[in-house]
Amino acid sequence: SSELTQDPAVSVALGQTVRITCQGDSLRSYFASWYQQKPGQAPLLVIFGKYNRPSGIPDRFSGSGSGDTASLTITGAQAEDEADYYCQSRDNSGDHLLIFGGGTKVTVL
Amino acid sequence: EAQLVESGGHLIHPGGSLRLSCVASGFTLSGDDMNWVRQAPGKGLEWISYISGRTSDIYYADSVKGRFTISRDDARNSLYLQMNTLRAEDTAVYFCATSYFVGVVAYLQYWGQGTLVTVSS
Repeated sequence: SSELTQDPAVSVALGQTVRITCQGDSLRSYFASWYQQKPGQAPLLVIFGKYNRPSGIPDRFSGSGSGDTASLTITGAQAEDEADYYCQSRDNSGDHLLIFGGGTKVTVL
Repeated sequence: EAQLVESGGHLIHPGGSLRLSCVASGFTLSGDDMNWVRQAPGKGLEWISYISGRTSDIYYADSVKGRFTISRDDARNSLYLQMNTLRAEDTAVYFCATSYFVGVVAYLQYWGQGTLVTVSS
C-alpha cells in the first residue's frame, strides 16, 4: 500500500505560524484531509479536500499542496492548537481505501 | 447534536472474538458510508474497514482481512465490527466514523469517542 510521511514533531511560538507537511505518492491523485487530535479525544476534521474548512474550524487553519505534498498551516498558533495532526488521503495503490500519515505533534511554546 | 457512540470493547484473550457496536444519535446512518479506524496505544491512526451506505461495497485493511467483518443495521441506526481470532497487535482504541467520497476527495467527518479493545493473556 501507499504511505503518507509526516515529520514526527514541530514546535511553534505562541502567535506565530507553523506549517505541517505530508508527502506521498497518493497525493498526486487524491487531495489530502487533515485531523487534529488532542490527548484522550477523537480526531477532529480540520481541513478536507486540500483546503476546505468544516464549519466551526477557525480560519487560522488552512490547507494547500501540489504534486506529492500537502500542507496544513496554522497562522497565529494558539495554545489550544497544541495537538497531534494527521493527514489522510485515498490509497492509489488499490490495497486500502484510506491511508493516514504517521502524525505530527505540534507543541505551542 | 449528531453523535456516534461506540461500545463493546474490553479485555479479551488472544484468539478470542469480540463484537463492537456504533450507534448514531441525532442523525440517521441510512445512506451514509461508514468506517472503523483504530489507534494502538501511543501510535497513529489506522483505517481498517469501510461499508457503503448505498451499495454492497465493503473494504478491509490487509491487517484485518479475513478476521474482521463490518456490517450495519440501518433500522437500528447502528454499525458493527465482528472481530475474530484476535491478536495482541489488535489492541487499540476503535473509532467509528462517517466518510464522504467525492471525486478525488475522501474524508472522515463525524467520529465517535472510541472504545478500547485490549487483547492480552
